[in-house]
Amino acid sequence: QVLLQQSGPGLVKPSQTLSLTCAISGDSVSTTSAGWNWIRQSPSRGLEWLGRTYYRSKTWFHDYATSVKGRITINPDTSKNQFSLQLNSVTPEDTAVYYCARDTGTPDYWGQGTLVTVSS
Amino acid sequence: DIQMTQFPSTLSASVGDRVTITCRASQSISSWLAWYQQKPGRAPKLLIYRASSLERGAPSRFSGSGSGTEFTLTITSLQPDDFATYYCQQYSSPFTFGPGTKVDIK
Repeated sequence: QVLLQQSGPGLVKPSQTLSLTCAISGDSVSTTSAGWNWIRQSPSRGLEWLGRTYYRSKTWFHDYATSVKGRITINPDTSKNQFSLQLNSVTPEDTAVYYCARDTGTPDYWGQGTLVTVSS
Repeated sequence: DIQMTQFPSTLSASVGDRVTITCRASQSISSWLAWYQQKPGRAPKLLIYRASSLERGAPSRFSGSGSGTEFTLTITSLQPDDFATYYCQQYSSPFTFGPGTKVDIK
C-alpha cells in the first residue's frame, strides 16, 4: 500500500516562497515506473496539475505546467524517500489545497492535501 | 494545452438511477483518460483509467467508454455513497482535469 504524507505551512505571505514536502511509504521516489506530482485545487481554477519529477535511465526529469514555469521547483530527496514543492513569489491567487500524487500513467495515490493560504 | 469540458455541471438523481456524465477533449487523446470521484475534504479517488479500465477496488457499477475526444462515465445503479463530484482527466500531455460534475440527491 502506497501512502503519501504531506507536510508544510498552511500560511504564506505574499511574495514569499511556498514550500511543501511529500513523504513516501510503500514505494520509492527513485522508482523507474512512476512519477511524483504536485496538483492544486481552488474554487477559481479547479484541479490544476503543477508539475512532476521522475527517474529514468539514471537521470532525474522534471515537467512543469506553463502557468507556473519559472516559479516552481520540484525536487526528489532520495535519502528521505520524499519529494518537495517550492513555489516562489506567491500571490493570493496561489491560495489552494495542494496535493502530492504518484502517477503510473495517471495519478493513482494522493496525499491528504494541504490548504495553503497566501495572506499578509 | 489540451482543454477538457464536462457536462452536465450538476446532476440531480435518486438512488437506483442510471447516471451518465460526458467529457470532451479539445483534441484527440486516444484513450488516455481517467475518471475520479471526490468527496468534500478528501483527495480525488481514481475510478477508471485508460478510458474504460476499472481501477482495483472500484465498484463494478462504474464504467467508462469512449476514445479520441468524447468519453462517458456511467453509474448503472446509483448508491448513497456515490453522491460526490466526478472529474475527467486527460494524461496524454501531461495532465489536465475537467471542471467536474456534481451528483446530488434529487
